[in-house]
Amino acid sequence: NAGVTQTPKFQVLKTGQSMTLQCAQDMNHEYMSWYRQDPGMGLRLIHYSVGAGITDQGEVPNGYNVSRSTTEDFPLRLLSAAPSQTSVYFCASSSRSDTTTNEKLFFGSGTQLSVL
Amino acid sequence: GQQVMQIPQYQHVQEGEDFTTYCNSSTTLSNIQWYKQRPGGHPVFLIQLVKSGEVKKQKRLTFQFGEAKKNSSLHITATQTTDVGTYFCAGGASGYNKLIFGAGTRLAVHP
Repeated sequence: NAGVTQTPKFQVLKTGQSMTLQCAQDMNHEYMSWYRQDPGMGLRLIHYSVGAGITDQGEVPNGYNVSRSTTEDFPLRLLSAAPSQTSVYFCASSSRSDTTTNEKLFFGSGTQLSVL
Repeated sequence: GQQVMQIPQYQHVQEGEDFTTYCNSSTTLSNIQWYKQRPGGHPVFLIQLVKSGEVKKQKRLTFQFGEAKKNSSLHITATQTTDVGTYFCAGGASGYNKLIFGAGTRLAVHP
């Protein structure tokens, strides 16, 4: 099992460029999510999905799009990159709970993104 | 919306000293989880607390969940250099799938 795989590991963009951060998991997890990590601000939830075809916004969704066409993949799209989106991005997945509690998250190794 | 505050932001200790980080939520939580992130790494799950007043131990680590299920703490006894990293709490609310993380406490341990 590879767990949660993120690509690329590093990326440099110019302001206005678009790109997609890839995330795939091989644990048959229904729940997947994207977080960004900035110094002093911890992990902030961008978007999440509770299953194929279902997505929802987190704390900081502006400037990002997601889709979930399969259980395995949950790509994060930056439509027009801005310097404020310079951050480390983590994808995480878990098995689905009954919503009375949460299952533990498995994180990918992260993508370090710089927007110039 | 749901907010999770964590203090302190940074703690520097001598090896062998104890360490505690505290987590407070603006809303009642259904559960709280703790994660550890080593420098340059990704967060790794440590433990989950679900019951009011729950206390769990993992070797030198003690985790507590408050009676009102709005606060939690992680205490490390006799820190070691292997404890270095950032410790995050993450709160979940009943009926919601998302986990909201605190800002984390970065622990530095000097030998």
